[in-house]
Amino acid sequence: DVKVTQSSRYLVKRTGEKVFLECVQDMDHENMFWYRQDPGLGLRLIYFSYDVKMKEKGDIPEGYSVSREKKERFSLILESASTNQTSMYLCASSPGGASPLHFGNGTRLTVT
Amino acid sequence: GQQLNQSPQSMFIQEGEDVSMNCTSSSIFNTWLWYKQDPGEGPVLLIALYKAGELTSNGRLTAQFGITRKDSFLNISASIPSDVGIYFCAGDNTGTASKLTFGTGTRLQVTL
Repeated sequence: DVKVTQSSRYLVKRTGEKVFLECVQDMDHENMFWYRQDPGLGLRLIYFSYDVKMKEKGDIPEGYSVSREKKERFSLILESASTNQTSMYLCASSPGGASPLHFGNGTRLTVT
Repeated sequence: GQQLNQSPQSMFIQEGEDVSMNCTSSSIFNTWLWYKQDPGEGPVLLIALYKAGELTSNGRLTAQFGITRKDSFLNISASIPSDVGIYFCAGDNTGTASKLTFGTGTRLQVTL
């Protein structure tokens, strides 16, 4: 089974802090994704990556950046956390093409 | 980015009942996916649909790809307590899963 591991289940950060959310997948997948999940809004794509050092903006990239230095690791960075970034963050990976996504268990971030 | 209209938003049903939920879009999709998210976990793929009119089953779950390619339906027969969770539809028209559009989710609760 594909395993997508997010390093933290819960995080509490202060406004203005720099926040790193880490995600690792163990199946040599080409594609990796970061979504945020909010009640009533479903899942919205923040950034995705097709390959190492490649990144593309999703639907809501503002306030976020990403890093993919190794194939198995995709990091989401909040340069200066704000309260409206309090949310559930989900990482996903896929082998490419039309293959479905495999999700991690999520990181619930609270910014106070 | 657009979002899919998913209904109902939530359902409270008794064990043994059948459940229906649907997803509609103003845009055409080439692929429809249905995911389930258990409490505290990431979404897991239930059914993938690749052709208009397609009807696919997975155990007690049946999903259909609408003829117009703008909607999809998920039915659960004889619901059981472990069916509790949030069900998401997702549409893709890129063939790459890079631009999946997710529905807002249907929260299902099952009572004995």
